[in-house]
Amino acid sequence: ETGVTQTPRHLVMGMTNKKSLKCEQHLGHNAMYWYKQSAKKPLELMFVYNFKEQTENNSVPSRFSPECPNSSHLFLHLHTLQPEDSALYLCASSQTGTSGGPDTQYFGPGTRLTVL
Amino acid sequence: KQEVTQIPAALSVPEGENLVLNCSFTDSAIYNLQWFRQDPGKGLTSLLLIQSSQREQTSGRLNASLDKSSGRSTLYIAASQPGDSATYLCAVPVPGNTPLVFGKGTRLSVIA
Repeated sequence: ETGVTQTPRHLVMGMTNKKSLKCEQHLGHNAMYWYKQSAKKPLELMFVYNFKEQTENNSVPSRFSPECPNSSHLFLHLHTLQPEDSALYLCASSQTGTSGGPDTQYFGPGTRLTVL
Repeated sequence: KQEVTQIPAALSVPEGENLVLNCSFTDSAIYNLQWFRQDPGKGLTSLLLIQSSQREQTSGRLNASLDKSSGRSTLYIAASQPGDSATYLCAVPVPGNTPLVFGKGTRLSVIA
């Protein structure tokens, strides 16, 4: 496979369930991201990992727990979510550019999450 | 705090028209600016990335310009086609960091 893949593509869960979203990048990048896209709101950054180290946590509630075991894989563990957490969760990866700034971000297809 | 605004929020044009989508950002200290396309319920596809030292980038029928000093970028689509129908998003990195700040997007419909 090429690019950025995400599984599952769709997920329906109850408020008491525990589930995990998976992202894998096949591009050799050194940074990975989780974004949340809710209806009628801009894409919101959740977490950033550079070289497997979390460098940004954008005030995300603790019911979302990221894990980055290596530079190619990123997980988002979910527990006791609320209905307002229903959204499209997008994973992305990038490589630090030669200028020291970010290069193009490549996005996965997303996981459509519905919390009942 | 960087904020990105896109105008218009929605646009409907007949096939064949040339059109311009607008993006503005509040902090001009950016590394680059990126334009994405998003089809309904799908992920984002990168269209063009303009480095801060560049003024424009072209890819096929798409041309993106950047005026860093005024905090503006435009995406020009020539000879629009129904397949261009999608939401177009503009994004800039947070100054001093790598995450992207996105606008709300422009939803484009090209009518055959």
